[in-house]
Amino acid sequence: DAKTTQPNSMESNEEEPVHLPCNHSTISGTDYIHWYRQLPSQGPEYVIHGLTSNVNNRMASLAIAEDRKSSTLILHRATLRDAAVYYCILRSTSGTYKYIFGTGTRLKVLA
Amino acid sequence: DTGVSQDPRHKITKRGQNVTFRCDPISEHNRLYWYRQTLGQGPEFLTYFQNEAQLEKSRLLSDRFSAERPKGSFSTLEIQRTEQGDSAMYLCASSLEGPNEKLFFGSGTQLSVL
Repeated sequence: DAKTTQPNSMESNEEEPVHLPCNHSTISGTDYIHWYRQLPSQGPEYVIHGLTSNVNNRMASLAIAEDRKSSTLILHRATLRDAAVYYCILRSTSGTYKYIFGTGTRLKVLA
Repeated sequence: DTGVSQDPRHKITKRGQNVTFRCDPISEHNRLYWYRQTLGQGPEFLTYFQNEAQLEKSRLLSDRFSAERPKGSFSTLEIQRTEQGDSAMYLCASSLEGPNEKLFFGSGTQLSVL
């Protein structure tokens, strides 16, 4: 299973942008990059995903390096409700379809 | 669309007892996943179904664990002869197969084995 590496924790001030990095040097050509987040006492929720190009949605932006060995989740204006654990996952589209979660990055947002 | 629902929300049991959890996925979703999560860790993959077929099962899963998805709708996860190490949050997720597939998780069942 392809692995991802994320910092254990990060802090951000409220209403400032947050850049959450993820390294995935063993990514294969058919792997999608997914991000999920988990708020306290809840199941994870989908944030965004992409294959090669940068992606934007109402929650966040995903910037993918040209060699695809790293990516960055961008929250444009962090709010207190964004405090959560963020998981970067490589999801294969051939052979196996399981999602393998790591330990994620715990984001703390300071008021 | 009522989301993924799991029942019960909490379960306390004594060591050695059997427990069964239920997951009702989003109705049109053909894939269903089970995960286990302990404090401070990310969700750990247990197994997944495509329709009624169980396609993959974690090698970490002992033979005390069994999951079913009859008729490709709801799923059950049974743990036989529970041990204290089984105490965890059990999460279910469903998805619709495709290039834009994404998981929708339930709120989980918190199991405490005394």
